[in-house]
Amino acid sequence: QLVESGGGLVRPGGSLRLSCAASGFTFSDYSMNWVRQAPGKGLEWISYISRSSSTIYYADSVKGRVTISRDNAKNSLYLQMNSLRAEDTAVYYCARVAVAGNPGWFDPWGQGTLVTVSS
Amino acid sequence: QTVVTQEPSFSVSPGGTVTLTCGLSSGSVSTNYYPTWYQQTPGQAPRTLIYSTNSRSSGVPDRFSGSILGNKAALTITGAQADDESDYYCLLYMGSGLWVFGGGTKLTVL
Repeated sequence: QLVESGGGLVRPGGSLRLSCAASGFTFSDYSMNWVRQAPGKGLEWISYISRSSSTIYYADSVKGRVTISRDNAKNSLYLQMNSLRAEDTAVYYCARVAVAGNPGWFDPWGQGTLVTVSS
Repeated sequence: QTVVTQEPSFSVSPGGTVTLTCGLSSGSVSTNYYPTWYQQTPGQAPRTLIYSTNSRSSGVPDRFSGSILGNKAALTITGAQADDESDYYCLLYMGSGLWVFGGGTKLTVL
């Protein structure tokens, strides 16, 4: 199970840190991702982190403004978001790589946390 | 920039068969992209239907199937039911740390 938290209303230019608490599986065995969905829009992959945090990827749309991290001892995934823009308004999902060692697809997903960027 | 294409909308009659597709703006979709299909209803997280081209996720009815048709990945629903009315997204793993979702298909069952 994955449970996101940390969303809320933030002003343009502000910062927010999202968390994702994992349970029911060995967190340190799996790579993790963040995926977002703007209101009424489609899904957008934004970031990946490997099991040991040695490999990290970002989508171009967020590169330089967000930082993904994890704490395997706390079974937690994080997304630090800075310099937020209106277009970052979205539901943010954490999603596990479905099969350890195979990055192809994501499952399970959390229920999502809403980030609203507005003045 | 890689663009994954899906039909924006589709309609099917109850009991009918529909095939949704997932293509690339440039090139062909192959099994190497691990095409995955998700179903999403409003306010809910995506649900995995088909992964790695044609493997059905646990608990998914066998009326859902995946394949490669020509140069696209395809999701076929055989014997559509009212509760299949949802948004459907495909996901492709492009390799080198890049995953791309299609824009989604809104399926209407009527």
